[in-house]
Amino acid sequence: AQTVTQSQPEMSVQEAETVTLSCTYDTSESDYYLFWYKQPPSRQMILVIRQEAYKQQNATENRFSVNFQKAAKSFSLKISDSQLGDAAMYFCASMGANNLFFGTGTRLTVIP
Amino acid sequence: GAVVSQHPSWVICKSGTSVKIECRSLDFQATTMFWYRQFPKQSLMLMATSNEGSKATYEQGVEKDKFLINHASLTLSTLTVTSAHPEDSSFYICSASPDRTTYNEQFFGPGTRLTVL
Repeated sequence: AQTVTQSQPEMSVQEAETVTLSCTYDTSESDYYLFWYKQPPSRQMILVIRQEAYKQQNATENRFSVNFQKAAKSFSLKISDSQLGDAAMYFCASMGANNLFFGTGTRLTVIP
Repeated sequence: GAVVSQHPSWVICKSGTSVKIECRSLDFQATTMFWYRQFPKQSLMLMATSNEGSKATYEQGVEKDKFLINHASLTLSTLTVTSAHPEDSSFYICSASPDRTTYNEQFFGPGTRLTVL
């Protein structure tokens, strides 16, 4: 079984500042992937960043980076130099053999 | 690349009617497609997984006779909500994966908002 927990229903950040979104997960899979997805008001799910569990190095994509702590089963997302376009719902998700399991999401507001 | 479309983007229907939602992979062959349901301000819940040419695998609690899924080609999957009722009103999202064996890449459609009156 897999579970994904996002403990922050809402977060806000000042434009150009840095914000970290938290995510913890639990899985019985030995090989799995972790994801952060962004869902803007258009409702289109957009992949932000992906981490393979077997890789120790934290994934980075431009202003987005993760802090992957495998032993603690923690997978936080850091957004640097926040922009107005970053405002959205952010979902953490894990995938084992087959399916994606999503957390409940964090709504990020960017303050101009 | 890796574009997934859904049609219609929104639909309103009367209670008791059936509604079909299409999910298409536009620039790749999707061996596996997934259907999710999202209630307002909630997360995505997987409804079913379908492989081309096979019967869909439904998640626990999802009525297979109510939510009919067909994946007849490598680029098209359909979800039919039969005898729709107001409680079926929701946002339905499909995703598609080009790889049957490693499911680490899913490309999402833009979603379909269903309102049942």
